[in-house]
Amino acid sequence: DIRMTQSPSTLSASVGDRVTITCRASQSLYNWLAWYQQKPGKAPKLLIYKASTLESGVPSRFSGSGSGTEFTLTINSLQPDDFATYYCQQYHSYSTFGQGTKVEI
Amino acid sequence: EVQLLESGGGLVQPGGSLRLSCAASGFTLRSYAMSWVRQAPGKGQEWVSAISGSDDSTYYADSVKGRFTISRDSSKNTLYLQMNSLRAEDTAVYYCAKGLSVYYRDAFDIWGQGTMVTVSS
Repeated sequence: DIRMTQSPSTLSASVGDRVTITCRASQSLYNWLAWYQQKPGKAPKLLIYKASTLESGVPSRFSGSGSGTEFTLTINSLQPDDFATYYCQQYHSYSTFGQGTKVEI
Repeated sequence: EVQLLESGGGLVQPGGSLRLSCAASGFTLRSYAMSWVRQAPGKGQEWVSAISGSDDSTYYADSVKGRFTISRDSSKNTLYLQMNSLRAEDTAVYYCAKGLSVYYRDAFDIWGQGTMVTVSS
């Protein structure tokens, strides 16, 4: 099984900050990685797929990069609506999610 | 509007069974791979099962293999998850999720609102 490790687990930030979340895989994923945003009591929302492709309707302040075993989600100029938990998902071999990164004030 | 609506969750005793349903609207279920993903209280997501959009091949996480069965009724545009021999560790919110393509290994662009399954005596 492919293990996904996200860091940090919690991130304290302010509106306007640039935020970076990292996801590391236990083996190469090529670029088969997605990022999701989840708010309490809601389903996850797809932000990025194939490591760097922005899902339709997602603001351009979100971006993804990386390949192989290390990937990054960057949020430029954090907005109030962005305070949430973020998950990475590998879909190179079945599917595995990271443990999540909570972005809080 | 593209939408998924789950139902069928509830409280069940250990060893019991439940069948979850996921009604799709705004798209044809048969044209995409579909998955079930669960989230235990206070925990992250865990992929449970998938069915491909091309040939109805099915796939399961080791934690549910042999106990859960995923299926699809094209005439009703509905996805199912039959859950047998339920255990306390199966307690979670269960989401159905639409893949981006027919291929079972994919990102999920549409999610249902989730249905809670509680396994307890």
